[in-house]
Amino acid sequence: GQNIDQPTEMTATEGAIVQINCTYQTSGFNGLFWYQQHAGEAPTFLSYNVLDGLEEKGRFSSFLSRSKGYSYLLLKELQMKDSASYLCAVHNILTGGGNKLTFGTGTQLKVEL
Amino acid sequence: EAQVTQNPRYLITVTGKKLTVTCSQNMNHEYMSWYRQDPGLGLRQIYYSMNVEVTDKGDVPEGYKVSRKEKRNFPLILESPSPNQTSLYFCATLPYSEDSSYNEQFFGPGTRLTVL
Repeated sequence: GQNIDQPTEMTATEGAIVQINCTYQTSGFNGLFWYQQHAGEAPTFLSYNVLDGLEEKGRFSSFLSRSKGYSYLLLKELQMKDSASYLCAVHNILTGGGNKLTFGTGTQLKVEL
Repeated sequence: EAQVTQNPRYLITVTGKKLTVTCSQNMNHEYMSWYRQDPGLGLRQIYYSMNVEVTDKGDVPEGYKVSRKEKRNFPLILESPSPNQTSLYFCATLPYSEDSSYNEQFFGPGTRLTVL
């Protein structure tokens, strides 16, 4: 089965740092995506981790530990526009080559002044 | 500009009236997929297609059909819509790669469907 857990909501202050955690238990694993989604809009790609470790991309960084079934998204120097839902998704390549993405329910981040 | 388009963006319909939501991409990606998004349930995969004439079920395929007659288009068909299919629908593409080097999945803008 597939089980992906993220906190439902988080609140942080403008200019601060926030870490959004994602734990997963899945029957297959190829990599892990992070997406940002503003209300009523399509998800937009933030990162894709395949190997263990931290990948940094501007103000956003993503970490993966395959052995622990754990990932986090780190947002630095928070801005008001970072208020959004953040989705983690486990990517699995099925027998025959099909791609399966299993999404968590998302973490709603609210950035306050 | 690389993009995925969906039509219509908003639709209100009645139970049992067949409808089709179109999805088109200009990136020549082999892989396309449909998701629905519901509060508290996240994004769930309905169907996916690995290439022309190759489709398969995702996690929630009941009540839906798809077709992939050409690479750029992947329509979602609801033969007899019911109120529990009221949802926000997204089409997405992903370039096929034999290694793990996916770097982005492109989502369409979404279709908000209400079935009365």
